[in-house]
Amino acid sequence: EAEVAQSPRYKITEKSQAVAFWCDPISGHATLYWYRQILGQGPELLVQFQDESVVDDSQLPKDRFSAERLKGVDSTLKIQPAELGDSAMYLCASSFRGGYTEAFFGQGTRLTVV
Amino acid sequence: GENVEQHPSTLSVQEGDSAVIKCTYSDSASNYFPWYKQELGKGPQLIIDIRSNVGEKKDQRIAVTLNKTAKHFSLHITETQPEDSAVYFCAARVGEALNFGKGTSLLVTP
Repeated sequence: EAEVAQSPRYKITEKSQAVAFWCDPISGHATLYWYRQILGQGPELLVQFQDESVVDDSQLPKDRFSAERLKGVDSTLKIQPAELGDSAMYLCASSFRGGYTEAFFGQGTRLTVV
Repeated sequence: GENVEQHPSTLSVQEGDSAVIKCTYSDSASNYFPWYKQELGKGPQLIIDIRSNVGEKKDQRIAVTLNKTAKHFSLHITETQPEDSAVYFCAARVGEALNFGKGTSLLVTP
């Protein structure tokens, strides 16, 4: 069964360091989402891609976060420098298109900033 | 932007009883409403969804109802089992964006 792949599963980093997360969506899925989920809360959208283009990054803290999907397939989310408040689960999801199509989630990357 | 409110935040039921989780949304242009189940340490998994042109959808023990006029939708789980214990999230899609509620932690006790 096709899955959204994310790596690493867990990451511990010191504050002020750089950290990067990788996501490989389900093959053929044009829409890719990065969400941040703080413990005990729902996922919050950080950035959404349609193919290689950013559709929505209004909630992405652009002073420290960046995201790219250069070839319209896999994607990387980077944080530089990391802050203590960035500790969270970072979830990637993909869907065939927007609209009525189901969004499939990866297992997430659990980030701890110390 | 779209605002999705979810209640209750925690819910405890006895095995065999029914569980109901309710969500409201703010943007009348929302047209797709999925429900996700998230187990500890895992990503959310879709359990059922409903489109804005449908009022109710059922899949075995799980059903979702949608009231577009009131802008609310609900998840109904019947004959609950201990393995239904998890966090459940509702979501609403407007345009390309998918916005989530804060989640309901469901505990089913034997």
